[in-house]
Amino acid sequence: EAQVTQNPRYLITVTGKKLTVTCSQNMNHEYMSWYRQDPGLGLRQIYYSMNVEVTDKGDVPEGYKVSRKEKRNFPLILESPSPNQTSLYFCASSAYGTDTQYFGPGTRLTVL
Amino acid sequence: AQSVTQLDSQVPVFEEAPVELRCNYSSSVSVYLFWYVQYPNQGLQLLLKYLSGSTLVESINGFEAEFNKSQTSFHLRKPSVHISDTAEYFCAVSYYNDYKLSFGAGTTVTVRA
Repeated sequence: EAQVTQNPRYLITVTGKKLTVTCSQNMNHEYMSWYRQDPGLGLRQIYYSMNVEVTDKGDVPEGYKVSRKEKRNFPLILESPSPNQTSLYFCASSAYGTDTQYFGPGTRLTVL
Repeated sequence: AQSVTQLDSQVPVFEEAPVELRCNYSSSVSVYLFWYVQYPNQGLQLLLKYLSGSTLVESINGFEAEFNKSQTSFHLRKPSVHISDTAEYFCAVSYYNDYKLSFGAGTTVTVRA
């Protein structure tokens, strides 16, 4: 089944404790992206990647890092999480030349 | 840069009644337009999209949206809603050949019996 998976789905952590949210897609898509969803703000792009080893900032990159060492994986790293990073995070992927993005199920992160 | 405005944050509606969700965008160039749906505790799913051609686009579950270039709008409609249509709906735009989606703030539709 073609899908985007994220782990964990739910995470509660404390300020300053490094964490990684994994994202994996099995569709051989070149493009991958991370969004955060906050009430009243919709989804905002954090980082995106056009292919392996090619990443760039989105609209709200502060406090986040990403890497793209393999085509299928695009982890989101929070080196020192803060409470304002409490949010619902979505990973998405898309193939070159297409207009449809496929979204993962989301990761709900709470930073205390 | 483009921006997206969804004019209603909450839309309560009775079952079998019609619903319209309004979306306006601002962009100096042509864009692609999308509606995504997020059911409770799930990720986003593409509902329908406008790329070019006919300005009226339809989804398989009875929704339709009309692209209006002069009013820069892409409103979503359904003539008769079901309880199962309860969800949050997001309007989004992207530039041609740009994979980045810019989303509106979302409209929560609650369908009551």
